[in-house]
Amino acid sequence: DAGVIQSPRHEVTEMGQEVTLRCKPISGHNSLFWYRQTMMRGLELLIYFNNNVPIDDSGMPEDRFSAKMPNASFSTLKIQPSEPRDSAVYFCASSLGSGGVILNTGELFFGEGSRLTVL
Amino acid sequence: GNSVTQMEGPVTLSEEAFLTINCTYTATGYPSLFWYVQYPGEGLQLLLKATKADDKGSNKGFEATYRKETTSFHLEKGSVQVSDSAVYFCALYYGNNRLAFGKGNQVVVIP
Repeated sequence: DAGVIQSPRHEVTEMGQEVTLRCKPISGHNSLFWYRQTMMRGLELLIYFNNNVPIDDSGMPEDRFSAKMPNASFSTLKIQPSEPRDSAVYFCASSLGSGGVILNTGELFFGEGSRLTVL
Repeated sequence: GNSVTQMEGPVTLSEEAFLTINCTYTATGYPSLFWYVQYPGEGLQLLLKATKADDKGSNKGFEATYRKETTSFHLEKGSVQVSDSAVYFCALYYGNNRLAFGKGNQVVVIP
């Protein structure tokens, strides 16, 4: 079975450039999450979607960050303009709800992450 | 608020040694508790969970017991292998599909 698929796996860019990270959740999952992992802060939830609708974006650091989920099988996280402090591993995760009800399971399925380095 | 605290620093131990990683939590109500594991170069994956007080979660030789009286969920394994080298995260579920993760503990098992 295909898991959560993220691309690119690695991205090196220069400060000021636009970065787009992509995620394909597990088919049938209706909740999608973007996390950022750094040594200093650990794992931080940036935003999550339920049924393609953003539910909580309070973790998005600032206006330079934006996320979209145009359909159930695709999401993007964009950083524009990028800064060196955005360097991190960005994870996408998905989980299964049931209709409009979010199941109280807490089990998330993570992708392998996108390692971003901003020079 | 809802949060998880893990013991500071990496853990290095020899193969077949006993492993304990401490986790305590702060939460309103009685959240579900989890341990996730991250192997090198991979995303996190669920290791075990417990949904109510006194529950014991177990998987792959790892165990953790939900202790309401001490607000703890310590992870243990009786005899670690080199393949257990990974980062371990404690987490709690506090509703609306949200997990609060601890900072993680790097475990290095030496042959």
